[in-house]
Amino acid sequence: GAGVSQTPSNKVTEKGKYVELRCDPISGHTALYWYRQSLGQGPEFLIYFQGTGAADDSGLPNDRFFAVRPEGSVSTLKIQRTERGDSAVYLCASSLYGGRAYNEQFFGPGTRLTVL
Amino acid sequence: QKEVEQNSGPLSVPEGAIASLNCTYSDRGSQSFFWYRQYSGKSPELIMFIYSNGDKEDGRFTAQLNKASQYVSLLIRDSQPSDSATYLCAVGLLNSGGSNYKLTFGKGTLLTVNP
Repeated sequence: GAGVSQTPSNKVTEKGKYVELRCDPISGHTALYWYRQSLGQGPEFLIYFQGTGAADDSGLPNDRFFAVRPEGSVSTLKIQRTERGDSAVYLCASSLYGGRAYNEQFFGPGTRLTVL
Repeated sequence: QKEVEQNSGPLSVPEGAIASLNCTYSDRGSQSFFWYRQYSGKSPELIMFIYSNGDKEDGRFTAQLNKASQYVSLLIRDSQPSDSATYLCAVGLLNSGGSNYKLTFGKGTLLTVNP
């Protein structure tokens, strides 16, 4: 079956602009996660959705970052007033269930965001 | 203090040798431990997870966990050039609100298997 998909694969924007990154999880997966991976680093947790609600948003770096999952499937990560430091690969992952210690998270291909 | 530490490498081994990848973590409450493989320019894919002390084997891969030493390792036997990738250690810890087993990743170790 289809894996996690993310669009766009690449996004180049100018400092101060607004961007939206989309994630389509594996069908039937109730849990969805967003991570950010900078060059030479491991993925850094941003936010976790269980169904439609954000169960843990402790990783969002500031109030410029916001994410939604209105119907419990597709999610959109929104970044306002982008800064050059926001440049990274944004990874989305999904798992069948959330809130468990041994969830296998399946990662999408990522969106490479470049802020000029 | 970094919560999950890995030697960034690169670790270079000849084909057919055993590759040993190591990871330490700082929070004793950590409950689950994962090894992900990430090829250059690709997304992470899960190799193994372990949650109890001791060894867990899956094919050529063995994960080892020592909670007392806060140490987890991955052994790759009969290493192949196709194993060349960055290996990420991830540790799961229940957040303070009890809503999420948040994964914290190390920086990863770059493994190169030479033919």
